[in-house]
Amino acid sequence: DAMVIQNPRYQVTQFGKPVTLSCSQTLNHNVMYWYQQKSSQAPKLLFHYYDKDFNNEADTPDNFQSRRPNTSFCFLDIRSPGLGDAAMYLCATSSPPPTGGNEAFFGQGTRLTVV
Amino acid sequence: GNSVTQMEGPVTLSEEAFLTINCTYTATGYPSLFWYVQYPGEGLQLLLKATKADDKGSNKGFEATYRKETTSFHLEKGSVQVSDSAVYFCALKDAGGTSYGKLTFGQGTILTVHP
Repeated sequence: DAMVIQNPRYQVTQFGKPVTLSCSQTLNHNVMYWYQQKSSQAPKLLFHYYDKDFNNEADTPDNFQSRRPNTSFCFLDIRSPGLGDAAMYLCATSSPPPTGGNEAFFGQGTRLTVV
Repeated sequence: GNSVTQMEGPVTLSEEAFLTINCTYTATGYPSLFWYVQYPGEGLQLLLKATKADDKGSNKGFEATYRKETTSFHLEKGSVQVSDSAVYFCALKDAGGTSYGKLTFGQGTILTVHP
């Protein structure tokens, strides 16, 4: 089935050690998003790509970077993780009308622990 | 700016009880409205959606009607099951402007259903 796949499901990293989370999609959607979610709070958008156009939210820390080498893959890089960056990271895709229905499709998330 | 307000949780019900989770929104124009469900340790799954006024979204016994006059999109289910225990998020996406607009989420409502 077409879907959004995140790897790994669980990631443990050391304080200050760079870490990369990955996301792939088989939906061929133009738009890919990265959200951060803490403790049953609402997901918070970090940034998104429309094709290769990168859009950063104003309050996303510089510690967070992203790469999208092609339509299918998108990466989240955390350059120097702090304890406050421990969270669930959600990747999502969407395809705007008329080709798509405008809803976002989410992966299963990566749970990041910082020790 | 856009905003979504959900009823305060958590909500605890007995199996087969009637469920209502209130959701109201503030937005310009005619946004698309969504309900997402998140099971423990998982990503978000689209439950249902509505894209214009008076549309009714439905799925798995859940329903919600897009009410523009009251700016509401309340989620209902006639008879809940233990397996419905999850966190429910109401969300909206801009209809106009940028075609890839981000989702604005409510704060989430935790639902627990007891046998």
